[in-house]
Amino acid sequence: SQQGEEDPQALSIQEGENATMNCSYKTSINNLQWYRQNSGRGLVHLILIRSNEREKHSGRLRVTLDTSKKSSSLLITASRAADTASYFCASASGGSYIPTFGRGTSLIVHP
Amino acid sequence: GAGVSQSPSNKVTEKGKDVELRCDPISGHTALYWYRQSLGQGLEFLIYFQGNSAPDKSGLPSDRFSAERTGGSVSTLTIQRTQQEDSAVYLCASTGQGAGDTQYFGPGTRLTVL
Repeated sequence: SQQGEEDPQALSIQEGENATMNCSYKTSINNLQWYRQNSGRGLVHLILIRSNEREKHSGRLRVTLDTSKKSSSLLITASRAADTASYFCASASGGSYIPTFGRGTSLIVHP
Repeated sequence: GAGVSQSPSNKVTEKGKDVELRCDPISGHTALYWYRQSLGQGLEFLIYFQGNSAPDKSGLPSDRFSAERTGGSVSTLTIQRTQQEDSAVYLCASTGQGAGDTQYFGPGTRLTVL
C-alpha cells in the first residue's frame, strides 16, 4: 500500500491564488520530501523536511509536517501558470532505504 | 554529466519483444533506483542498487523484469517478452548517500508496447 497519499487528487486555481496540497503517511518517517513532475517525465526535488522539523520554507513554497497526525502540507503562494504540474510527496520509514511515493496532486493554475 | 540521463527517451515495441532501458546516474552517486509510472499514477518502485551490495529486487513485478548495474555506475533495466501492461514511463533516480536523501531523477523512458 502507498506510504504517502496526496490530497486532493486534482486542484484547479487562478493565477495569484495560493495552492495547498496535503500528504498523509502511515508509519513513522525519517524525513518527507516533495517533488514536482511536469508532463509525466522526471521528477524534480522541491523540499525536504526532517521528522524533527515542523515547517520549512523555500521561495514561494512552505512545507509543514505534523508527525502526530502523520501528515504534511505543501503551500504554494501567489501561484503562477508555470506552477502547473503534478506534486508528489515521498517518505521512507524507519530503516527503509526505499522512499515511497503517493499518487500525486495534479495542479492546474489558470492564467 | 550534470544530471541523470536515460535512453531511449521513447521506445515503441511489439508485444513479445525484449527491451533494454538505460540509466546513467550522476557521477559518484552510490544509490540507484528504478521506478515505473503508469498514466496518471504514482511511482511504483522496481529495484534499488546501493554500492556493491546485492540489489533490492522486491519491486520487480515478474521474472520478465531484470536489472543490472555495471561498475557501480550505468544501469540497464531489461524487460523480456513485453506485454501491453508493461507500457509506462520508466524512471531512474540516483542519490548520493542512500536512504532518505534527495533523489535526482532522469527524464524517463516512455515505453509503449503494441
